[in-house]
Amino acid sequence: DVKVTQSSRYLVKRTGEKVFLECVQDMDHENMFWYRQDPGLGLRLIYFSYDVKMKEKGDIPEGYSVSREKKERFSLILESASTNQTSMYLCASAWIGSGNTIYFGEGSWLTVV
Amino acid sequence: KNEVEQSPQNLTAQEGEFITINCSYSVGISALHWLQQHPGGGIVSLFMLSSGKKKHGRLIATINIQEKHSSLHITASHPRDSAVYICAVPFTSNQFYFGTGTSLTVIP
Repeated sequence: DVKVTQSSRYLVKRTGEKVFLECVQDMDHENMFWYRQDPGLGLRLIYFSYDVKMKEKGDIPEGYSVSREKKERFSLILESASTNQTSMYLCASAWIGSGNTIYFGEGSWLTVV
Repeated sequence: KNEVEQSPQNLTAQEGEFITINCSYSVGISALHWLQQHPGGGIVSLFMLSSGKKKHGRLIATINIQEKHSSLHITASHPRDSAVYICAVPFTSNQFYFGTGTSLTVIP
């Protein structure tokens, strides 16, 4: 079974703190994604990566950065957390190709106070 | 502009009822995905289909490529089916459009 593992399930951080969300997948997928999910807005893409050290901005990249140093690991970084970044963050991975299944992690609930 | 529209947004059903969730999309696609998210949980893929119909247990997914429409049916619904159901379509080899989801509650 494909496994996408997110390092933290629940986090509470203070405004201005630097936050790291880690994601690891075990299926050698080229594509990895970070989404945030908010009520009424659905899933919105923050960044994705199609290869090691490659990254592309999604719909809402402002306030976020990412790192992909190894194929299996994709990190989301909030350089200076703000209260409007309180959300559920979901990592996903998939093989390249539009006919392939996308696999999600369990999600990380981030609260910024 | 939403490339993927789902209806209804919210749905409450009695246990045992037949349920239908609809998804319409405006882009050309090679496949469509139905996803399920239980409260507080991650998202799992239920179906990926590019034509016709697929069945898995009490869940049936259909797609009409010409009409750009897909439906997810649940037969003999059960409280454990309570979840958000999300329709997703890939628009490149890397990216997806997602519907905003249908929140289903099945009452015993």
